[in-house]
Amino acid sequence: ILNVEQSPQSLHVQEGDSTNFTCSFPSSNFYALHWYRWETAKSPEALFVMTLNGDEKKKGRISATLNTKEGYSYLYIKGSQPEDSATYLCALPRGSTLGRLYFGRGTQLTVWP
Amino acid sequence: GAGVSQSPSNKVTEKGKDVELRCDPISGHTALYWYRQSLGQGLEFLIYFQGNSAPDKSGLPSDRFSAERTGGSVSTLTIQRTQQEDSAVYLCASSLVSGGTTDTQYFGPGTRLTVL
Repeated sequence: ILNVEQSPQSLHVQEGDSTNFTCSFPSSNFYALHWYRWETAKSPEALFVMTLNGDEKKKGRISATLNTKEGYSYLYIKGSQPEDSATYLCALPRGSTLGRLYFGRGTQLTVWP
Repeated sequence: GAGVSQSPSNKVTEKGKDVELRCDPISGHTALYWYRQSLGQGLEFLIYFQGNSAPDKSGLPSDRFSAERTGGSVSTLTIQRTQQEDSAVYLCASSLVSGGTTDTQYFGPGTRLTVL
C-alpha cells in the first residue's frame, strides 16, 4: 500500500483566479509521480509525469513542481477558466518495475464564470 | 488515432448476477490495467497485464473477480455473483511500454456499474 494524500478535497474559484493544490506521498523509494485531469463523463487525461527532485513541468496555464525529499508535489493553474473544472488526480507507482499506480482521492476544482 | 474504448458505458444489474466489462486498448500498447472508483474513494488498482507475462492480480478484491486478455489486445473483466459493494466506475487503461514507472497510462471512459 502506498499512501497518497491530496488536498484540498474540493476547491471553488472564480474565473481568472490562480490556484494550487497539493499531492503528498512517502518520500522513501520514490520512482515517479503522475498528474491526471478527470473531467466529468470523460476519460482521465495525463498531464505530467515527474521523476526528479526539483522537477518543474508546464503545459499551457498548468504547471507542477516536485519535492521528493519532503514528499510533495504542487499543481498550479494560472488564470483559471471554466474549462479547467475537473478532478485532478496524482498517482505514484510503488515499485521500480511495477506499472500499477496508487492514486490519491483527487482535488475537485470548480471554476465559476 | 483511436483511444481506449470500454463497453458498456453503463450497466445496471441485480445482486447475484454475473457481469462482463470489456476494454479495447490502444493498438500496439502492451500493458493493460483495470482500476475502479467506488463512491467517495480514489482509483483502486485491480489487475495488470504486461505483454505475455502472468498478470498481476494482487488488486482483485475477491475471487468473484477475474479478468482475461485475449491475443494481447482486448480484455474482459468478469464479476460473478455481483454485490452492491461492487457498484463503481470501472476504468481500463493501456500503456505503450510494459511496466515502466514513467509510462503514461491512457484511460478509457469507464463503465459505470450499478448493482441493485
